[in-house]
Amino acid sequence: DVKVTQSSRYLVKRTGEKVFLECVQDMDHENMFWYRQDPGLGLRLIYFSYDVKMKEKGDIPEGYSVSREKKERFSLILESASTNQTSMYLCASSSTTSSGRSYEQYFGPGTRLTVT
Amino acid sequence: GQNIDQPTEMTATEGAIVQINCTYQTSGFNGLFWYQQHAGEAPTFLSYNVLDGLEEKGRFSSFLSRSKGYSYLLLKELQMKDSASYLCAVIGNQGGKLIFGQGTELSVKP
Repeated sequence: DVKVTQSSRYLVKRTGEKVFLECVQDMDHENMFWYRQDPGLGLRLIYFSYDVKMKEKGDIPEGYSVSREKKERFSLILESASTNQTSMYLCASSSTTSSGRSYEQYFGPGTRLTVT
Repeated sequence: GQNIDQPTEMTATEGAIVQINCTYQTSGFNGLFWYQQHAGEAPTFLSYNVLDGLEEKGRFSSFLSRSKGYSYLLLKELQMKDSASYLCAVIGNQGGKLIFGQGTELSVKP
């Protein structure tokens, strides 16, 4: 059974702290993604990665960075957390295949981050 | 630019049929997904269309017209547990990256 796990379901941090959100997938997927989800704004892509040590900016990368040292792990880093980064963060992974449903994304359970 | 439009909210009655529409304008097209997301949970896969026509899967069906940039998700015999957000997402030219609509919040009432 496919599985994407995230390090925490709930996290509370203070303004200015450095925050690490971890995501691990066990499906040997090449592609991994970080989104944030806010009411009325839907899912917004922060960063994604097509391969180890590779990263690309999504639609809202400001204030975030990522790391992919191993194929199964993709980390999202908030260098200096701010209150406007309070949100639900979702990680996803997908495989690049030639068969049907290529690129179907499998999501982790999400991390609800509150920055006070 | 790239844009996916779907209604923000819909309400339907238990046992009824509801159709959720999605229109898209994207740079290229390589498939369209529908996901279901219950409150506080992760999105889960519902359907995938890459060719024109209807894909049926139990109570759920999804339709695609590539020439019109249009899809719909049809839910039959609605149940209370179908109350959720339904997300339309398109794969454009940038392989692997899904472009999501804002989601349609469906409320099923007794």
